[in-house]
Amino acid sequence: EVQLVESGGGLVQPGGSLRLSCAASGFTFSSYEMNWVRQAPGKGLEWVSYISSSGSTIYYADSVKGRFTISRDNAKNSLYLQMNSLRAEDTAVYYCARDLGTLGFFDYWGQGTLVTVSS
Amino acid sequence: EIVLTQSPATLSLSPGERATLSCRASQSVSSYLAWYQQKPGQAPRLLIYDASNRATGIPARFSGSGSGTDFTLTISSLEPEDFAVYYCQQRSNWPRGEYTFGQGTKLEIK
Repeated sequence: EVQLVESGGGLVQPGGSLRLSCAASGFTFSSYEMNWVRQAPGKGLEWVSYISSSGSTIYYADSVKGRFTISRDNAKNSLYLQMNSLRAEDTAVYYCARDLGTLGFFDYWGQGTLVTVSS
Repeated sequence: EIVLTQSPATLSLSPGERATLSCRASQSVSSYLAWYQQKPGQAPRLLIYDASNRATGIPARFSGSGSGTDFTLTISSLEPEDFAVYYCQQRSNWPRGEYTFGQGTKLEIK
């Protein structure tokens, strides 16, 4: 069974940093592209970042470019999101999502981890 | 950036009725469109990809159609568990990562 479990969310002050993790199991993690998608409270979905299966190709949404860094450790079956210079508008539930076989759609999602940026 | 506009914002129907949800793109996305279902407190679930392909395990009452700029998600006969929020998503610029979602349609019980 495919499982994605996020962790690392919490309350952080504006300008602070946080590192999210996503532990994957039930599939060959190293063969799949991965993404982070977020959802502000009561709002819709926003794609945040993409990483290829090897980690060699990375993309970001303009809203987080220069502040967030996506990475992965295929030996540990884990995906990460380092978030720096956090702003109030980054407050959201962050989901890790598996790419549907290099198609740019998301077939499995974690349960999400809440990041709250507030003083 | 490609903008996806979903309509209606809210759809009120009864179990057993047919639901038709619309998603319109600001420019052509070919057939590179997906639909997701999200229930309160849960992660989204992929229903349809490439406009008309059902994802694994999705019941046949869900179907997708369209290409270019106009797309439709149809639920042929609503079950109680189908009442949720539905999002469309495009990936026309894959793999450059410029993925966008629509704002969602809430399907509520009438």
